[in-house]
Amino acid sequence: EAGVTQSPRYAVLQEGQAVSFWCDPISGHDTLYWYQQPRDQGPQLLVYFRDEAVIDNSQLPSDRFSAVRPKGTNSTLKIQSAKQGDTATYLCASSSDWGIQDTQYFGPGTRLLVL
Amino acid sequence: QQKVQQSPESLIVPEGAMTSLNCTFSDSASQYFAWYRQHSGKAPKALMSIFSNGEKEEGRFTIHLNKASLHFSLHIRDSQPSDSALYLCAVSLSSGSWQLIFGSGTQLTVMP
Repeated sequence: EAGVTQSPRYAVLQEGQAVSFWCDPISGHDTLYWYQQPRDQGPQLLVYFRDEAVIDNSQLPSDRFSAVRPKGTNSTLKIQSAKQGDTATYLCASSSDWGIQDTQYFGPGTRLLVL
Repeated sequence: QQKVQQSPESLIVPEGAMTSLNCTFSDSASQYFAWYRQHSGKAPKALMSIFSNGEKEEGRFTIHLNKASLHFSLHIRDSQPSDSALYLCAVSLSSGSWQLIFGSGTQLTVMP
């Protein structure tokens, strides 16, 4: 079974530039999560979806961050006008069986450096 | 808002030792408790989880939960160099949402 895949693996930007991250969850997983993991910290939830619907995006800095999952499969997280404080690893995770607590499976992440 | 804290921040143990990692949480109505392990540059991977008070053992790993003291722990018996990693505890919110709140991690190094 293929795991969660993410691309790109690395990105280096100047402040003010835009970047998009792409995630392909495990086939059949209806729930998809995006996390931000600063260096030497735990993952912090940004947004999560059930199928194509946003369930909670309250931690997403909405003025510069956006996330979509239009067909309930792949997802894209976009940062407009990146800041140095956005430097972190962006992790995507997926899980199955909405309605019970299920294991989240993480992708390898995208390491973002904003100069 | 749920707060999850881990201790110690880092730990160095010799090969073969028993390792104990701690996690405290603030919401007494929390329902799900998990440990994830993250090797350097890799994705976090679920190790074990528990729903109710008590202990659960899987191989060299034991998770212990005490909801009354808002504490759970991970114990690693016969620690191996391959166990060297960042250990993350996670707690679900009690609202029926299945969000996980992660601690900041304990960096474990097992010396051969």
